Amino acid sequence: EAGVAQSPRYKIIEKRQSVAFWCNPISGHATLYWYQQILGQGPKLLIQFQNNGVVDDSQLPKDRFSAERLKGVDSTLKIQPAKLEDSAVYLCASSPRGAGAGELFFGEGSRLTVL
Amino acid sequence: RKEVEQDPGPFNVPEGATVAFNCTYSNSASQSFFWYRQDCRKEPKLLMSVYSSGNEDGRFTAQLNRASQYISLLIRDSKLSDSATYLCVVNHRGGGNKLTFGTGTQLKVEL
Repeated sequence: EAGVAQSPRYKIIEKRQSVAFWCNPISGHATLYWYQQILGQGPKLLIQFQNNGVVDDSQLPKDRFSAERLKGVDSTLKIQPAKLEDSAVYLCASSPRGAGAGELFFGEGSRLTVL
Repeated sequence: RKEVEQDPGPFNVPEGATVAFNCTYSNSASQSFFWYRQDCRKEPKLLMSVYSSGNEDGRFTAQLNRASQYISLLIRDSKLSDSATYLCVVNHRGGGNKLTFGTGTQLKVEL
């Protein structure tokens, strides 16, 4: 079974530029998550989708971050404009049910460096 | 106070040692609990769920104390391959099953 796919793996941009990350979850997984992991910290939830609806985006900085999952399958996370403090690994995860019912399956992450 | 707190370590232990990590959580309404393992520059992976009665998986034992709001992970007979960061994860049912991760505890097992 294919795992969670993310791209690009690495991205270096200058502050105020924009960037987009793509995620394709495990086939059949209804729930998709984007986490931000800053070096030395645990992953922080940015947004959670159930199919193509948003369940939780309370920690998403909506002035610069946006995410969509239009057809309930793959998802895109965008940052515009980027700030230095956005340097982090952006992890996409999926689960067949809600988060409390079982494990999350993470992709390898997209590592962003903002200069 | 952070929702999930862990001692970041690092814990440096010799091979064969027993090591224990604790984690405290602030939301008394938290419903389910997990330990994830994250190798350096890799993604987190589920190590084990934590059940109220305590549970064991080989050399790993997880326990939950709801009254004191803490979770523990015990690793017996440590192997070099156990070197990783161990993330404590708590699920709050309110707000759509949101998983909150701790900062992680770094373990280094040495010869």
